[in-house]
Amino acid sequence: DIVLTQSPVTLSLSAGERATLSCRASQSVQSNFLAWYQEKPGQAPRLLIYGAASRATGIPERFSGSGSGTDFTLTITRLEPEDFAVYYCQQYGNSPLTFGQGSKVEIK
Amino acid sequence: QVQLVQSGAEVKKPGASVKVSCKASGYTFTTYFMHWVRQAPGQRLEWVGLINPYDGSTTYAQKFQGRVIMTRDTSTGTAYMELNSLTSEDTAVYYCARRFGPGPATLGWFDPWGQGTRVTVSS
Repeated sequence: DIVLTQSPVTLSLSAGERATLSCRASQSVQSNFLAWYQEKPGQAPRLLIYGAASRATGIPERFSGSGSGTDFTLTITRLEPEDFAVYYCQQYGNSPLTFGQGSKVEIK
Repeated sequence: QVQLVQSGAEVKKPGASVKVSCKASGYTFTTYFMHWVRQAPGQRLEWVGLINPYDGSTTYAQKFQGRVIMTRDTSTGTAYMELNSLTSEDTAVYYCARRFGPGPATLGWFDPWGQGTRVTVSS
């Protein structure tokens, strides 16, 4: 199984700052089939990015995804108050699909 | 809008079974595979299995084979996941999620997700 390791585990930032989250795979993710989700307490996970870099419908432009092979990045250019949450990456290029352990973006 | 609404929290004793429902709205239920994913406390999200709402065919993660049953009711647009022989290790939040993407049904990304159902297994 592909193991996804996210870093950092916790990122403390202020609103307006830039957040850079990493997702590293234990082996190459086929066709860069990687997604990112945002999760807030008591809410359903929300799709942000699929195909490593394609924004889902309705997702603001401040969210962007990049990377290929084993290294992927989610960038939030200017944090808004509603962006403080936990972020997960998920690969769907190799069976079984797997998830990272999550990165929490908290208010500094 | 597209929405998945799950049933409420459950508390079960070891050895019991639990059945979680997931009601879809805002789209044609039979058009998209439905997956189930769970997250135990302190653990990462884990894939449980999927159902094809069109014909009811299922694929389960090896870990849950023989213990999970996924069904659907096309008349109400509802998917169900039943997990048997519960142990404390099954304590988790269970999510249903609509699948997108190319390739086999066992792979893909998910949008949207249900709000989650907390299942607690305790004596």
